[in-house]
Amino acid sequence: GAGVSQSPSNKVTEKGKDVELRCDPISGHTALYWYRQSLGQGLEFLIYFQGNSAPDKSGLPSDRFSAERTGGSVSTLTIQRTQQEDSAVYLCASSLTGRWNTEAFFGQGTRLTVV
Amino acid sequence: KNEVEQSPQNLTAQEGEFITINCSYSVGISALHWLQQHPGGGIVSLFMLSSGKKKHGRLIATINIQEKHSSLHITASHPRDSAVYICAVREKTSGSRLTFGEGTQLTVNP
Repeated sequence: GAGVSQSPSNKVTEKGKDVELRCDPISGHTALYWYRQSLGQGLEFLIYFQGNSAPDKSGLPSDRFSAERTGGSVSTLTIQRTQQEDSAVYLCASSLTGRWNTEAFFGQGTRLTVV
Repeated sequence: KNEVEQSPQNLTAQEGEFITINCSYSVGISALHWLQQHPGGGIVSLFMLSSGKKKHGRLIATINIQEKHSSLHITASHPRDSAVYICAVREKTSGSRLTFGEGTQLTVNP
């Protein structure tokens, strides 16, 4: 596609349920990032994938959060046993490479509400 | 103290005014990004800077590496410029991930 695509755009889930958020990066982009924006907060880094390298998971807030990237393309962020504090907009971004001087392109985000 | 600080947090301007948003950071960086976030959450990358100045239409971004400071200027502001503007840095020590400022909410009134 022309841009980074995320689905669903909105997700309401009950506390304790698992959710999966999907990101389709721009074709050919080797770097993929997940960020989170909680209400009234700035963006925070969650996880970074670069090619076939081991992902940088240092931003994941707890072991309930995991992500994978299959075939170097689509990525899925999974949150297990969701809590109310997980409510946020989850943003995915991709860039052509992981080098510092490449531009990042953002998706529209998935707004997750845990009730 | 946040690693990336923006000022002001909120800014209201009249159409046509010249606008400046500031970003200061406390870490060594390889690049700085200015992003625009519209209501609904979509984020667009405006600029990526490692030195000097860049201009795109009515937008100008500058960076002073020695002073660890960047500014985003909007000339002849328009209501459609109303958005949250976010400064983000790519730290030298953290690989490729971005560290974000809290954002500046800009409202331009007609």
